[in-house]
Amino acid sequence: DGGITQSPKYLFRKEGQNVTLSCEQNLNHDAMYWYRQDPGQGLRLIYYSQIVNDFQKGDIAEGYSVSREKKESFPLTVTSAQKNPTAFYLCASKGGLTNTEAFFGQGTRLTVV
Amino acid sequence: DAKTTQPPSMDCAEGRAANLPCNHSTISGNEYVYWYRQIHSQGPQYIIHGLKNNETNEMASLIITEDRKSSTLILPHATLRDTAVYYCIVNSQNSGGSNYKLTFGKGTLLTVNP
Repeated sequence: DGGITQSPKYLFRKEGQNVTLSCEQNLNHDAMYWYRQDPGQGLRLIYYSQIVNDFQKGDIAEGYSVSREKKESFPLTVTSAQKNPTAFYLCASKGGLTNTEAFFGQGTRLTVV
Repeated sequence: DAKTTQPPSMDCAEGRAANLPCNHSTISGNEYVYWYRQIHSQGPQYIIHGLKNNETNEMASLIITEDRKSSTLILPHATLRDTAVYYCIVNSQNSGGSNYKLTFGKGTLLTVNP
């Protein structure tokens, strides 16, 4: 089935460690997105990419890094520079600008202890 | 992208219509209005979108005012499973990197009561 997959669903890390969250899509979508969601809050955009080997900072990019080496994949690294990394992370993809909707993964809940 | 304004919460009785408003007074002519919903701890799900005309699908109806400055999402017969956060966003259809930016607000928490 076509879709967008995030893994793992739950992730635990010790403070000070970098951690990479996976996002893969087989929808042949050009654009991909990473969001962070804190309890009771909306989605805040971290990074987005409209094409392979290109990406832009969103509204809260500090402490995060991404890469887009393949169209299907858009991994997010939460670095030790991120002050409050514990959150629910959502990845999305979109087929393009013209009249298309975004598809979301089921999210990764990251807990840093 | 134009900003949107939604009420933080709404209640609806089961079986009744739920009407969720959204203001987007700075929307430009080439921006579509999209609605998504998010059930607790899941990824958001697309509901419907439109440009000028009213739209209807199996999930909901979208009513866009003539001046396009506001819209209403209608769930005709709300069920308990419709309890979720509903997001209204606008998105440009022009080419250009910044127009791919997809920004969500805090949405409206709709609670459907038995």
